[in-house]
Amino acid sequence: DTAVSQTPKYLVTQMGNDKSIKCEQNLGHDTMYWYKQDSKKFLKIMFSYNNKELIINETVPNRFSPKSPDKAHLNLHINSLELGDSAVYFCASSRSTLLAGDNEQFFGPGTRLTVL
Amino acid sequence: AQSVTQLDSHVSVSEGTPVLLRCNYSSSYSPSLFWYVQHPNKGLQLLLKYTSAATLVKGINGFEAEFKKSETSFHLTKPSAHMSDAAEYFCVVRHGSSNTGKLIFGQGTTLQVKP
Repeated sequence: DTAVSQTPKYLVTQMGNDKSIKCEQNLGHDTMYWYKQDSKKFLKIMFSYNNKELIINETVPNRFSPKSPDKAHLNLHINSLELGDSAVYFCASSRSTLLAGDNEQFFGPGTRLTVL
Repeated sequence: AQSVTQLDSHVSVSEGTPVLLRCNYSSSYSPSLFWYVQHPNKGLQLLLKYTSAATLVKGINGFEAEFKKSETSFHLTKPSAHMSDAAEYFCVVRHGSSNTGKLIFGQGTTLQVKP
């Protein structure tokens, strides 16, 4: 009955490689997000999709490319990994942000990426 | 632009004593404010939220927070700390100028609970 799930939980890779992190939610939500948490635990939003459409695209290197095949999935692909990409990446989902009212975001368990 | 500042990076309390985690916000709009908790190696869980209703907000696990517009504060409190409260706590403001759901996080406060 997991609400927001991410795979893998841990990812260790070499600089220059390309990797993907997958996220799935079974809450019936329309909006999904990717956040990056750095080594000082600071969390910052990277992307958000509403019903497969990109609505937030922060200042993120274009080596990062989100893909939403359907509204229940939001994957994050990273090309040419760099040391500075090492972080914990969190996926989240909420009801559609286009609806009035407060839309609580539900977070996944995170993916710890280590670039060597 | 909206922002939040958590005034303490680390708070240490003894079990059974009160908890106070401080947060100040800056917002041009009537803000939506949240507190999230992150236990070690876990995702984030919503503790409570303020969305312009009652200024005293009660959350899960005995936590509450009071929205004080005059002080631009949204401090998190709990009357009696439990060992299981040891975690990282984030004060969060929703970006209010658009309807994108963008959350802006504070720097986090590590709560240590000593036996």
